[in-house]
Amino acid sequence: EPEVTQTPSHQVTQMGQEVILRCVPISNHLYFYWYRQILGQKVEFLVSFYNNEISEKSEIFDDQFSVERPDGSNFTLKIRSTKLEDSAMYFCASSVRWDQPQHFGDGTRLSIL
Amino acid sequence: ILNVEQSPQSLHVQEGDSTNFTCSFPSSNFYALHWYRWETAKSPEALFVMTLNGDEKKKGRISATLNTKEGYSYLYIKGSQPEDSATYLCAPRRSGNTGKLIFGQGTTLQVKP
Repeated sequence: EPEVTQTPSHQVTQMGQEVILRCVPISNHLYFYWYRQILGQKVEFLVSFYNNEISEKSEIFDDQFSVERPDGSNFTLKIRSTKLEDSAMYFCASSVRWDQPQHFGDGTRLSIL
Repeated sequence: ILNVEQSPQSLHVQEGDSTNFTCSFPSSNFYALHWYRWETAKSPEALFVMTLNGDEKKKGRISATLNTKEGYSYLYIKGSQPEDSATYLCAPRRSGNTGKLIFGQGTTLQVKP
């Protein structure tokens, strides 16, 4: 069964550094998402992406965050200048349509030192 | 802000017990409710997407009901097995075509053999 893949599985970065989290969504899916879960908290929506543009973003998704689909397969989340509070598990998801179930990757654990 | 509450937060049952949990959400602008099953060290897996008031869905020993007027959904597991041990997340979706999911904090189920 096709799946969403995320790399790396764990990323350790110094505060203030840029980080790029990578995702390969399922190939026929058109809607892409990023969520995150800070330890002990709920899974939070960050951003949804369709037709090469952001369709919705949360308050968390400020100017330090950006998303890109640089080619036909990858979907990336960039954090420009990381803060300690960005430490979390980041999940990528994709779906065929906006109202269909979302398929999640295994996540990238981001640790900011 | 969409407030999604799940109860109980955690549950320990014996193998063979039947169990149920609750997801409560605001009923205004409701579009759909998603249930996900999330095993440790794996990605969340879609169980059900429910849209209509009175909807009932079933997948093996797991079933769910939906009341959109009062804003709640129940998830039932009949004859729990150790492999049912996981965190069960609900995520309502409001009207709008961005696909954004707002997750509850989850119910963590532990089934003892």
